Amino acid sequence: EAQVTQNPRYLITVTGKKLTVTCSQNMNHEYMSWYRQDPGLGLRQIYYSMNVEVTDKGDVPEGYKVSRKEKRNFPLILESPSPNQTSLYFCASTVWGAYNEQFFGPGTRLTVL
Amino acid sequence: SQQGEEDPQALSIQEGENATMNCSYKTSINNLQWYRQNSGRGLVHLILIRSNEREKHSGRLRVTLDTSKKSSSLLITASRAADTASYFCATDPKGGNEKLTFGTGTRLTIIP
Repeated sequence: EAQVTQNPRYLITVTGKKLTVTCSQNMNHEYMSWYRQDPGLGLRQIYYSMNVEVTDKGDVPEGYKVSRKEKRNFPLILESPSPNQTSLYFCASTVWGAYNEQFFGPGTRLTVL
Repeated sequence: SQQGEEDPQALSIQEGENATMNCSYKTSINNLQWYRQNSGRGLVHLILIRSNEREKHSGRLRVTLDTSKKSSSLLITASRAADTASYFCATDPKGGNEKLTFGTGTRLTIIP
């Protein structure tokens, strides 16, 4: 089944404790992206990647890191999480190029205390 | 920055009625997409309309695009309880999907 998977689905952590949210897709998509969703703000893009070893900042990259060492994986790293990073996070992937839909993962609900 | 703004923020209608949601955006686009999100879940792509198209249909969905007004509308006909969800428009300025910008969404509730 074609899908985007994220782990963990739920995470409660404390300020300053490094964490990684994994994202993996099995559709051989070149493009992958991370979004955060907050009430009243919709989805905002954090980082995206056009292909292996190619990443770029989205609209809200502060406090996050990403890497793209393999085509299928695009982990989101929070080196020192803070309470304002409490949010619902989504990973998405697509075939790079025009007029293509994005496929979304199920989401990771992160709470930073 | 928010490119798309949906209107209304929330909409409740009776099952069987039509639901219309609007999206306004600020800068030029290559295409505009609509997505649905069931509570707390990932977004699902519904339909894409290119900047040179004015109207597009997919099943019970009808999307219009007016680039002169920088606005789009999504019409769901003959609504069903399963249509209850949040609906988001997303604008793609260049066509490569790398800078897809989402609006804040319309929460649609279908009353059985």
